[in-house]
Parts: sequence; structure tokens; C-alpha cells
Amino acid sequence: EVQLVQSGAEVKKPGESLKISCKGSGYTFTSYWIAWVRQMPGKGLEWMGIIYPGDSDTRYSPSFQGQVTISADKSISTAYLQWSSLKASDTAMYYCAKLGCSSNTCYLSDNWFDPWGQGTLVTVSS
Amino acid sequence: NFMLTQPHSVSESPGKTVTISCTRSSGSIASNYVQWYQQRPGSSPTTVIYEDNQRPSGVPDRFSGSIDSSSNSASLTISGLKTEDEADYYCQSYDSSNHYVFGTGTKVTVL
Repeated sequence: EVQLVQSGAEVKKPGESLKISCKGSGYTFTSYWIAWVRQMPGKGLEWMGIIYPGDSDTRYSPSFQGQVTISADKSISTAYLQWSSLKASDTAMYYCAKLGCSSNTCYLSDNWFDPWGQGTLVTVSS
Repeated sequence: NFMLTQPHSVSESPGKTVTISCTRSSGSIASNYVQWYQQRPGSSPTTVIYEDNQRPSGVPDRFSGSIDSSSNSASLTISGLKTEDEADYYCQSYDSSNHYVFGTGTKVTVL
């Protein structure tokens, strides 16, 4: 079974750093892109960026470029999302998701998000 | 860049049919595949439609997707509505300049 398991909820203060994780299992971790998606309280889904663990190729949404860093450690099948200095506005649920498509070879445009991790709630408050 | 606009909410009685629209603001809706995700309260999203009109295994055939170039929109139709269908639904597509785009989301209420 393909599964993504995320790290637990975090409570941080403004200005602190944070790194959350997403561990993949049940598939070849290095062969599929992993995406990060933000959901602020009571709001919709926002795509943050993607990483290809095979070579660490990373792409960011312009809205999140420079605000977060996405990385991966393929030796332990884990992707990460990190902040160097949190703000109260970073309070949200963060999901990772595996990108997949129906062909053996496909473009990024052909991919969709499936499955999703269980989410990591990040609360930033003084 | 483009936006995907959905109605904020729809409601209907059990057994009835609801259709949720997803309108692309610029560029052709047919340019890239549209997916639909269901997010029940307190849960992660799951895929109910991929590649415009394909259902993942395990998703009942009460869920169907379509594309309408004349209105530049995609639609998700849920027939034979059940209380378990009560959830938020998001469409999603791809923009080569901004990569992935999610719709604004629609809350489906089963009366």
C-alpha cells in the first residue's frame, strides 16, 4: 500500500525555525515527485512546491518561493518542508502528497496528487 | 496564470444529483487535465476524479467528471447523493508558469 506518513503537530513561536517531514512507503520513493500543500484554517488548498527525490529537483510556487525550503533524503524515503523564521501567518495544516500519472512516462502537467499524507498542523503563536 | 473558480456551496437532498462547476479564468480548460478531490471534515483530501473523467478504483460510479469547452469549465456530478458525500470538493489543474492550481473549493451539504 502506498502511504505517506507525516510528522506530528508543532507549536512554535514567531521567529523560530521548523522542519516537518513526510515519509513515503510502498513505492519507489525516488521515482515520483512529492508535493507540499498548505491549508490555512477554514480555507482552501494552496500548492507550495514539489521535489523529485531521485535528484532533488525542486520547483516552488511563486507565492512560496523564498518563504520555505523543500528537501528530501532519499536514503530514508523522506521529504521535508522547512522554515527559517516562522510567522503567525504560517499557522496552517500542511499536507504532502505523491504525484502520479496513468502512464509509465508523463509530463508534470499529467500528474495529480495521490495519496496524501495525514497532514501536519503547525501553530505559530507568541 | 489562471484561476479556477467554484461555487462556494451547494446543497441537495439525499438521492438527488448535484453538479459542481470549476471555471478556468484564462486559457482553455481542455489544455490540461482536471482532477477533483474530496475532503471530508478533519481528513486529508482524496481523489474522486482524475484526467477529467476517470474514477480511481474504489470511487463509486455515482461520481463523474466532464469538460465543457464552451463554458471553459469542468464539472463534477454526484448522483444518488448520500450523507457520506458531505464534504469539501476541490478541482485542480496545471499551469505551466505556476505549476499546479487548485480551485476555490465547494462545500457540499446533504440536507
